[in-house]
Amino acid sequence: TQLLEQSPQFLSIQEGENLTVYCNSSSVFSSLQWYRQEPGEGPVLLVTVVTGGEVKKLKRLTFQFGDARKDSSLHITAAQPGDTGLYLCGGNNNDMRFGAGTRLTVKP
Amino acid sequence: GAVVSQHPSRVICKSGTSVKIECRSLDFQATTMFWYRQFPKQSLMLMATSNEGSKATYEQGVEKDKFLINHASLTLSTLTVTSAHPEDSSFYICSAPLAGTSGEQYFGPGTRLTVT
Repeated sequence: TQLLEQSPQFLSIQEGENLTVYCNSSSVFSSLQWYRQEPGEGPVLLVTVVTGGEVKKLKRLTFQFGDARKDSSLHITAAQPGDTGLYLCGGNNNDMRFGAGTRLTVKP
Repeated sequence: GAVVSQHPSRVICKSGTSVKIECRSLDFQATTMFWYRQFPKQSLMLMATSNEGSKATYEQGVEKDKFLINHASLTLSTLTVTSAHPEDSSFYICSAPLAGTSGEQYFGPGTRLTVT
């Protein structure tokens, strides 16, 4: 069983649409990271959230850490084809565990 | 950001042979590195934690005699797949945490292993 549950598992949308990806757990994490991975490459760090309730923005991406530090969300505004990839959340408690990922496809 | 390299990026080997994959932290030191494998269209599965100067810690179900890990320096960890079989074909990725951050992991570009 995954320590971190991500939803949805797959998401296919049209360019310009908005979307939200969720990362949930029953565990509390000292920090949580979001990564994006493109085919044939390693994951690239997007953001780290540390404080419960924290919100961070990275251009059209908005990341939120739950108040209890057990869950997080990633919201993308006006998605573009370049946003296509596998989005992974990783929870840190001495080691890093990943969710199963959300595979996003943005069609032009 | 911190940079992690892997070598080789792709390798094809025959069944029964051994393959070594290197993971290097280029601009920082890493006392710990992590090895993952990833099957097509799936997420990362942690195989083992590589510890500099001591034995690696393997996840349940990962054969330590088949996946040999050596972390001989603060910038290099190696994963050797011994007596490889076609079912070992996968994408192997390493990562290293950057000290002084909140657990941020920096990943290598991955190694595509194909066993024929």
